[in-house]
Amino acid sequence: GAVVSQHPSRVICKSGTSVKIECRSLDFQATTMFWYRQFPKQSLMLMATSNEGSKATYEQGVEKDKFLINHASLTLSTLTVTSAHPEDSSFYICSATHNYGYTFGSGTRLTVV
Amino acid sequence: KNEVEQSPQNLTAQEGEFITINCSYSVGISALHWLQQHPGGGIVSLFMLSSGKKKHGRLIATINIQEKHSSLHITASHPRDSAVYICAVDGGNKLVFGAGTILRVKS
Repeated sequence: GAVVSQHPSRVICKSGTSVKIECRSLDFQATTMFWYRQFPKQSLMLMATSNEGSKATYEQGVEKDKFLINHASLTLSTLTVTSAHPEDSSFYICSATHNYGYTFGSGTRLTVV
Repeated sequence: KNEVEQSPQNLTAQEGEFITINCSYSVGISALHWLQQHPGGGIVSLFMLSSGKKKHGRLIATINIQEKHSSLHITASHPRDSAVYICAVDGGNKLVFGAGTILRVKS
């Protein structure tokens, strides 16, 4: 139980375009989801916390207008990287909390060319 | 100083060896998590601890709340255990991650 499905797993996009990443909780209701970014050989960095039906809380230094987070239902949160630039290339991963801890999505490797 | 310190950063072991990865933290926590990240990037939650010891198969995790220290042990290590192991502490509203330990088990 407690599965989080994240799509897409890999995406290549052109500079200036927007990319949407989805995270779905398949067998539980995720009132809170977290979005992380991971650079090569580094640990995860929390970008924002999203709560169902309310605005996301962004960590210091994360541009909320660039990384749009929507958590419109108890099973779906989306992260949209707007006007992507090569420096946005990274590994993005979500997680959701439940009674037994945290479950992570499988991650999305974004490459902006 | 990072809130969560892991050691060692890199570890190479021979198949069958007993492995220990350590985690120290400096903040108050409600729980500590051990995570496993494979080369493809996906993260699996191994343990969530708030006290004592937990065992799952060949994996054992312990935590000493007074010492603010946790260890992850792997018995009879196998090449498929090769991964990055991450310690993360839950301060109540979000996880704070250690830098990870890169484990390579050679056959």
